[in-house]
Amino acid sequence: DQQVKQNSPSLSVQEGRISILNCDYTNSMFDYFLWYKKYPAEGPTFLISISSIKDKNEDGRFTVFLNKSAKHLSLHIVPSQPGDSAVYFCAASASTPNTPLVFGKGTRLSVIA
Amino acid sequence: NAGVMQNPRHLVRRRGQEARLRCSPMKGHSHVYWYRQLPEEGLKFMVYLQKENIIDESGMPKERFSAEFPKEGPSILRIQQVVRGDSAAYFCASSGGGYQPQHFGDGTRLSIL
Repeated sequence: DQQVKQNSPSLSVQEGRISILNCDYTNSMFDYFLWYKKYPAEGPTFLISISSIKDKNEDGRFTVFLNKSAKHLSLHIVPSQPGDSAVYFCAASASTPNTPLVFGKGTRLSVIA
Repeated sequence: NAGVMQNPRHLVRRRGQEARLRCSPMKGHSHVYWYRQLPEEGLKFMVYLQKENIIDESGMPKERFSAEFPKEGPSILRIQQVVRGDSAAYFCASSGGGYQPQHFGDGTRLSIL
């Protein structure tokens, strides 16, 4: 049973446009959410996080939105750049600090020049 | 390089042999997590350790797998009597504790012949 779901395996976006990656979760105990970016043959790189006390967090071109009632979060990248092409993983953890992360299966983003 | 260091990057073993995967956390981090990624899947939690203690091993198979994080030296994930199904990418992450994000190494790709 998948507790974190990324329903779009892939996404293609034109350079300069907005990329929107979506993530849904089922466990009501999750209250801390992270996005990681992964290139082939490398480990995931932390991008941005959000706790459940917020509904938005922004860092440069990256913004994460959290809708707790819908158990949904999204990552917006604007403007998208070719170097953003990678697999993006959504991850969640429960309210106790240091708990392990639960990952979605990832969305492969291709930014086309 | 102050990042999470994993070695070896690639490991080939024959069925029945032992595999040892090493992870040195980021400087100042005392929390270590091991995850496994099968092809086209997300990362799945295996075990969480602090120095000399296993905190959570709920994701680790009960047989053949063990992990340690000694007072001195790297964390070790050991797989005894490997089978074909153990072929995967194994990632180590470390954090400074609390709600600090986990930072990942580049993984060890284990192949079983």
